[in-house]
Amino acid sequence: DAGVIQSPRHEVTEMGQEVTLRCKPISGHNSLFWYRQTMMRGLELLIYFNNNVPIDDSGMPEDRFSAKMPNASFSTLKIQPSEPRDSAVYFCASSVTSGGGETQYFGPGTRLLVL
Amino acid sequence: AQSVTQPDIHITVSEGASLELRCNYSYGATPYLFWYVQSPGQGLQLLLKYFSGDTLVQGIKGFEAEFKRSQSSFNLRKPSVHWSDAAEYFCAVGASGATNKLIFGTGTLLAVQP
Repeated sequence: DAGVIQSPRHEVTEMGQEVTLRCKPISGHNSLFWYRQTMMRGLELLIYFNNNVPIDDSGMPEDRFSAKMPNASFSTLKIQPSEPRDSAVYFCASSVTSGGGETQYFGPGTRLLVL
Repeated sequence: AQSVTQPDIHITVSEGASLELRCNYSYGATPYLFWYVQSPGQGLQLLLKYFSGDTLVQGIKGFEAEFKRSQSSFNLRKPSVHWSDAAEYFCAVGASGATNKLIFGTGTLLAVQP
């Protein structure tokens, strides 16, 4: 299996621009998670989907952030407009969710720099 | 609410020495507990997990962890550290309900001296 695929791996953009991060989960997994990692705040869960439906978006920092999962094999995290404080590594993870305790498999991350 | 505490932000050990990374959790029932490792520039990789049964759990790369309910701890150990073990280590607890949501600790950065 190819694992969780994220693109792009690196993104440099200017403040005010729209940024779209993409994720392809492992085939057969029904849960997808978006995390943000910074030195200051560590690893934060932004949003997670179960069977393509957003279940908990309480970690989404503000309205500038939005996430979609149009089908079981693709998700996007969009930032519009981007700000320098959004600079971070964004991880996507997927799992098979049944009764709890299942392993989350992480992608390699997208390193975002907003100038 | 569930929480995870990793009291050591940074640890340095010599190659070949033993290692113990501490993790304490707060949870009202029997938790699901995980240890992940993150090498520089990489995503997180599962080392091991506990959800029931034997309280001593074996993982990949020679790591093990012991669940101690009385101490609310899930410490990670390795008898002999290799230079390639230098990485950041995250402890996580599974949230209640069948959501698979994880609560991560702040991580411990491990440096290995030759």
